[in-house]
Amino acid sequence: AQSVTQLGSHVSVSEGALVLLRCNYSSSVPPYLFWYVQYPNQGLQLLLKYTSAATLVKGINGFEAEFKKSETSFHLTKPSAHMSDAAEYFCAAMTGTASKLTFGTGTRLQVTL
Amino acid sequence: DTAVSQTPKYLVTQMGNDKSIKCEQNLGHDTMYWYKQDSKKFLKIMFSYNNKELIINETVPNRFSPKSPDKAHLNLHINSLELGDSAVYFCASSQDLIPYEQYFGPGTRLTVT
Repeated sequence: AQSVTQLGSHVSVSEGALVLLRCNYSSSVPPYLFWYVQYPNQGLQLLLKYTSAATLVKGINGFEAEFKKSETSFHLTKPSAHMSDAAEYFCAAMTGTASKLTFGTGTRLQVTL
Repeated sequence: DTAVSQTPKYLVTQMGNDKSIKCEQNLGHDTMYWYKQDSKKFLKIMFSYNNKELIINETVPNRFSPKSPDKAHLNLHINSLELGDSAVYFCASSQDLIPYEQYFGPGTRLTVT
């Protein structure tokens, strides 16, 4: 079965510092991969998605992610953190013919002054 | 205009009661979903409907019954509520099956006392 692992349930960075949120998937077939963000008391918003086109995917709010098949990873990065980036981030994968999204356990990003 | 809306936003009820959560999307999407987010923020799919037809039914107690009167609506009815049903329930929709992104509603926080 498909699984998604997010290393680090809580990541803290200073404003202006690099953001790196880790995501690994387990699948013999490269899945479609997504990063979602959830602000407090809100629903999930798509940041970016990988659908087997370019391996480096650019998303909204300055985020990007790189698909690395050899490492089964899809880490999310942003060069310079902003206070408004503080939120919960979820990596998710979709495989096969079903449209089921399998989510990781989430990473809470804290941005400090 | 809200793309995916849910009502109510908050629902507090006692054990044993029956309650419904409504979801509507105005995006013209064919597929709709229900997800459950537990107290640890873990998200898991419950159901998925495509053009009013059930296509994903995860291991969910029979007390949960989705109903799709038309492809713009997917309601969730829960019978005999239990303490463990307390969670945030998210509705989502997508244009078609994979790999289109899913748009999430704002969530319904259900508290069972």
